[in-house]
Amino acid sequence: NAGVTQTPKFQVLKTGQSMTLQCAQDMNHNSMYWYRQDPGMGLRLIYYSASEGTTDKGEVPNGYNVSRLNKREFSLRLESAAPSQTSVYFCASSESQGVRGYTFGSGTRLTVV
Amino acid sequence: QKEVEQNSGPLSVPEGAIASLNCTYSDRVSQSFFWYRQYSGKSPELIMSIYSNGDKEDGRFTAQLNKASQYVSLLIRDSQPSDSATYLCAVNPGVGRGNNRLAFGKGNQVVVIP
Repeated sequence: NAGVTQTPKFQVLKTGQSMTLQCAQDMNHNSMYWYRQDPGMGLRLIYYSASEGTTDKGEVPNGYNVSRLNKREFSLRLESAAPSQTSVYFCASSESQGVRGYTFGSGTRLTVV
Repeated sequence: QKEVEQNSGPLSVPEGAIASLNCTYSDRVSQSFFWYRQYSGKSPELIMSIYSNGDKEDGRFTAQLNKASQYVSLLIRDSQPSDSATYLCAVNPGVGRGNNRLAFGKGNQVVVIP
């Protein structure tokens, strides 16, 4: 049972390049989330999808877009990467409403130069 | 006021001692509470969940919840070097509230000294 799988694990981008971070879960969870984590800032929610077919902005959505492709997959796209987007990105999933907490993927370490 | 606050700085404890972490939350009607452990360079891992007032024990970990005072704590007994990590407190505001998302604290770093 893989849980939440994120790809890639590491990525270096040049300023202005675009990329998509992939996330898939095999736990039949309804809700999925994208976070970024920066030193001293804690986890900050970028976007979330409460259920298949819906997406909503979190605290720091600027510069990002998301797609809930199906119940399993939730992707995060950076259209024009900026150095301020250098961070560690975590995908998470939960049963509806997150009443049993979230399960996190292993993360993507992104550096924008 | 932040939704979830973990105000203590890095905590250094000798091996075998008790590590005590505290967390306060602002939404009085919050329903469920979690502690995550995050090793350096790794993702957060759920280690404890608690839903009602009182203590919940799981191995060397005890979570304590006091809804009247709006705090939740984590005790690590017989601390081991492998417990050295950052511990994140998370609070679920309840079904239909908070836009279906957990609120996370910024975390407390624990260093267990051999």
